[in-house]
Amino acid sequence: RKEVEQDPGPFNVPEGATVAFNCTYSNSASQSFFWYRQDCRKEPKLLMSVYSSGNEDGRFTAQLNRASQYISLLIRDSKLSDSATYLCVVNTGDDYKLSFGAGTTVTVRA
Amino acid sequence: NAGVTQTPKFQVLKTGQSMTLQCAQDMNHNSMYWYRQDPGMGLRLIYYSASEGTTDKGEVPNGYNVSRLNKREFSLRLESAAPSQTSVYFCASSLWKGNTEAFFGQGTRLTVV
Repeated sequence: RKEVEQDPGPFNVPEGATVAFNCTYSNSASQSFFWYRQDCRKEPKLLMSVYSSGNEDGRFTAQLNRASQYISLLIRDSKLSDSATYLCVVNTGDDYKLSFGAGTTVTVRA
Repeated sequence: NAGVTQTPKFQVLKTGQSMTLQCAQDMNHNSMYWYRQDPGMGLRLIYYSASEGTTDKGEVPNGYNVSRLNKREFSLRLESAAPSQTSVYFCASSLWKGNTEAFFGQGTRLTVV
C-alpha cells in the first residue's frame, strides 16, 4: 500500500465552482501534513500546511481527520489560475521523510 | 532571492554515461533532498542530507550517489546512467528535516537513451 494516496482526477470544474478532494495516508504516526501545488512542468510549491483543527487560507480550506487518516482540500470560487496538480504531502514520523502523493489534477474552465 | 538553483535544466545521456546534477540553496537551510518524479508515481526521495556532513539513502537510492559539499551545495551523481533513470529530478531544501516547508529547485529533465 502506498504511504500517501490521492485520486488523480482530473477534476474539471467551471469558474466559480467549489471543488474538494481527499488524500489518505497509511502511517498513523504521521505528524505533519501539507498541500503543495505543482503547475505543469514546474517545481512543487507549498500551498498550505494542514493543522489538526483545520485551517483556511483565502479560498482554500484544509481539513485533517486523524481517525480516518485522511486530509482534504476544498477550493471555493475556483479561478482559472487554480488549474494545477495538488500534491498531498505527509511527514511519516521519520524525522527526515516527506512522502508525496501522486497528485490530484484540477482544471478550471471558463 | 535565488532560493534553490539546479543545473542543468535539461540533459540527454547515453546509457552508461555519467553525470552530476548540481544544487545550491541560499536560504541557510540545514536539510537538502534529491527527488525524482515519474508519471503517476509522485515524488520519490533518492537521498537526503539532514545537515551538513551527513547523507542518507531515501526510498530509491540505487544507481545514485550524493555529496553534501558544504551547507549550500548538494550534488547528485549518476555513475552509469540507465534508461530507467529517465525522469525529472528535483532538489529541495528545508530549514530542518521533515516537518518544515520544503523549497524546490526548478527541476532537471533527464533522458537516458
